Amino acid sequence: QSVLTQPPSASGTPGQRVTISCSGSSSNIGSNYVYWYQQLPGTAPKLLIYRNNQRPSGVPDRFSGSKSGTSASLAISGLRSEDEADYYCAAWDDSLSGPGVFGGGTKLTVL
Amino acid sequence: QVQLQESGPGLVKPSQTLSLTCTVSGGSISSGGYYWSWIRQHPGKGLEWIGYIYYSGSTYYNPSLKSRVTISVDTSKNQFSLKLSSVTAADTAVYYCAGGFEVLRIDYWGQGTLVTVSS
Repeated sequence: QSVLTQPPSASGTPGQRVTISCSGSSSNIGSNYVYWYQQLPGTAPKLLIYRNNQRPSGVPDRFSGSKSGTSASLAISGLRSEDEADYYCAAWDDSLSGPGVFGGGTKLTVL
Repeated sequence: QVQLQESGPGLVKPSQTLSLTCTVSGGSISSGGYYWSWIRQHPGKGLEWIGYIYYSGSTYYNPSLKSRVTISVDTSKNQFSLKLSSVTAADTAVYYCAGGFEVLRIDYWGQGTLVTVSS
């Protein structure tokens, strides 16, 4: 059971806009940056969003991140079949004396 | 472009120590600012942070694994390593080495290596 809660699944049709939520608390999302990763089947995760809403170079602007209070969201616009993957949020948790924590992951299906 | 590659046994017996090495190419492991992490993924499950080592040598470990984990750096070989002692079947997972300029901003990932704990 992760301290960051994500819906286990999400879906959309090509061209649609989809959002994936990540819910936490004041000790993690509420007071720290949120990061998002995409994991395509059989591959290592890839950084999509850092510091809540920043995109690394090479990540399409179809991907955007936002944060409000103790929740964060990843939005994917103009959905494509290649976006079908698992998505994970991550954040530092001040109440834990260790590295960051990941959400449980959301499997995105492109219908 | 920095690249990472994990190496080590794919099969470890219960109660033994799991040892993995990550070789960094395309950059110096001791360059200022890098955090080098180990992350694992149980079969069909989500990601779990094991710990990280900063370029200065300071380390942080997942509290649930802290008593069994050691992460170290060998700057002469441009490698960092993971040792996880007293393994059980619950430690069977794909192990990733990773790195970035922030703890949680992981720009570089190894391909991952499956480690199975079984007699």
